[in-house]
Amino acid sequence: AQSVTQLDSQVPVFEEAPVELRCNYSSSVSVYLFWYVQYPNQGLQLLLKYLSGSTLVESINGFEAEFNKSQTSFHLRKPSVHISDTAEYFCATRHQGGKLIFGQGTELSVKP
Amino acid sequence: GAVVSQHPSRVICKSGTSVKIECRSLDFQATTMFWYRQFPKQSLMLMATSNEGSKATYEQGVEKDKFLINHASLTLSTLTVTSAHPEDSSFYICSAVQGAQNTEAFFGQGTRLTVV
Repeated sequence: AQSVTQLDSQVPVFEEAPVELRCNYSSSVSVYLFWYVQYPNQGLQLLLKYLSGSTLVESINGFEAEFNKSQTSFHLRKPSVHISDTAEYFCATRHQGGKLIFGQGTELSVKP
Repeated sequence: GAVVSQHPSRVICKSGTSVKIECRSLDFQATTMFWYRQFPKQSLMLMATSNEGSKATYEQGVEKDKFLINHASLTLSTLTVTSAHPEDSSFYICSAVQGAQNTEAFFGQGTRLTVV
């Protein structure tokens, strides 16, 4: 069965520091991977996705993630975070039939 | 990007009453919609998959008679929480995909349900 594991439940970091949010997946079939961000009491917004092709995918707000098949990982990175990046981040994989399987979530807390 | 509108954003109801939550795709036709439930500080748990014109497929452990899902058109799915109890209080989120091969899901804003 497909699944994703987010290794860190909370990641505190200072503003302008780099950050990495870890995600590992397990799947025996073709993998579609996603990172979503959720602000308090809101729905989910897609940050970036890996479907095929280039293993490095980028978002418009400075985040990037690299699909690593040998390590079965899809870690999310940003070289310099802002206070506004404080949110909950979810890694997800698309299951057969279209439904998303989510990781446990990582709370990113950016401090001044 | 495509927009999914979920209504209401917040609702408070009394125990024993029913609450309906709407999920609309505003600028695309959603062949499939998904309903999730999220407890505080936890991840999203899929409750059911809803295809237009057919019965919803519920995940294991989800009571289909308690959480009624209707997907009557390609732009609207509804979730009705029947005979609500305080333990049903949660954040409910819908998502929609366009087409069988479309790999991106668009999410509604979520509904905060509080049962008192």
